[in-house]
Amino acid sequence: GAVVSQHPSRVICKSGTSVKIECRSLDFQATTMFWYRQFPKQSLMLMATSNEGSKATYEQGVEKDKFLINHASLTLSTLTVTSAHPEDSSFYICSARDLGGRAYNEQFFGPGTRLTVL
Amino acid sequence: GDSVTQMEGPVTLSEEAFLTINCTYTATGYPSLFWYVQYPGEGLQLLLKATKADDKGSNKGFEATYRKETTSFHLEKGSVQVSDSAVYFCALKFYGGSQGNLIFGKGTKLSVKP
Repeated sequence: GAVVSQHPSRVICKSGTSVKIECRSLDFQATTMFWYRQFPKQSLMLMATSNEGSKATYEQGVEKDKFLINHASLTLSTLTVTSAHPEDSSFYICSARDLGGRAYNEQFFGPGTRLTVL
Repeated sequence: GDSVTQMEGPVTLSEEAFLTINCTYTATGYPSLFWYVQYPGEGLQLLLKATKADDKGSNKGFEATYRKETTSFHLEKGSVQVSDSAVYFCALKFYGGSQGNLIFGKGTKLSVKP
């Protein structure tokens, strides 16, 4: 099936630093990728929708200057958490939408990135 | 707004027990409904889906029927295995128009004991 990878799987950083998380669709092209945040015992909350070659669409309440999204190619989207603070510690999950014939319009999820800000 | 409510866990069962995880939704139209599963340390995987009323989705022994009259999509399995231990998410999605984003429930953790 379609595979989505995320890198890194875990990252620990100091408060005030920036962290970049990569999301790749390995065997399909994804014009649209989604970034979610998952809190303990909570649902996935959509942060933003990333469209290849254009600006991301952020959900209400998500700071676009803090969570920078770049979708420069059909297989790669990046999320940069700028000036990270302990409250940004969370599990970040991306998904990519396959518009190909095999699984039209289905979203495939990455394994997630655990961010811990000290 | 549109939302998904699923039973809170954790749910702990013995192997071969019957499983039901309740899911109800609130939506202004007629969404497609999904169950996703997240195994420990992995990303979400689509387990099954149903796109219209009375449709039954099934996969790996799991089933769920789209009930418009009760706005429900309960997940069932007749005999669970230890390998079914995971977190299960119910979700809805509208197609067409906007991006068609998934709206998730909070997830239900299932632990199956041998």
